[in-house]
Amino acid sequence: GQQVMQIPQYQHVQEGEDFTTYCNSSTTLSNIQWYKQRPGGHPVFLIQLVKSGEVKKQKRLTFQFGEAKKNSSLHITATQTTDVGTYFCAGVNAGNNRKLIWGLGTSLAVNP
Amino acid sequence: NAGVTQTPKFQVLKTGQSMTLQCAQDMNHNSMYWYRQDPGMGLRLIYYSASEGTTDKGEVPNGYNVSRLNKREFSLRLESAAPSQTSVYFCASSEYYNPNRGYTFGSGTRLTVV
Repeated sequence: GQQVMQIPQYQHVQEGEDFTTYCNSSTTLSNIQWYKQRPGGHPVFLIQLVKSGEVKKQKRLTFQFGEAKKNSSLHITATQTTDVGTYFCAGVNAGNNRKLIWGLGTSLAVNP
Repeated sequence: NAGVTQTPKFQVLKTGQSMTLQCAQDMNHNSMYWYRQDPGMGLRLIYYSASEGTTDKGEVPNGYNVSRLNKREFSLRLESAAPSQTSVYFCASSEYYNPNRGYTFGSGTRLTVV
């Protein structure tokens, strides 16, 4: 079945360093969504990317969708302790019934 | 506050007991979902309801049943709880035709089966 692979599984950075997590799909996606889950919390929607090659920014967060619509990345510039949590990507297969296929997430720890 | 409300927040069951997890959303969303989250396993879809009156199995439906009571409410029932069902359960909702809002999740139910 379709899979969305997300790497790395864990990332530990010093505050101020950059962070990137990557998602790769085995099939073409119609769109991809990104979520953040704080420790002990619930996933919170961050953004959706729809167009091939799309790049969107939210303050220090930059989201990219690959040209082939099979991969995506989230880059955080100058991490802060408030960035701690698990970041999930979730893709929708082009042509399926719109259920999200979730990556396993990247857990980010930030040392102050 | 608008959003998804789940009850209870915590529950401990004995093996073989039954319970129903309640979920309600006030955003007029058509679609609702039940997920379970286990360490290292990410979010796994149990059941979903694309619209009022319909329900479908997700990837891990065994041991669960659901009811879409109306457009607002979507409940998850464990008929005979097993230790393997110890998990955090999340309800979520979405608007099918609005791509900019994603899924809205409830705060979760932390279930322990002993």
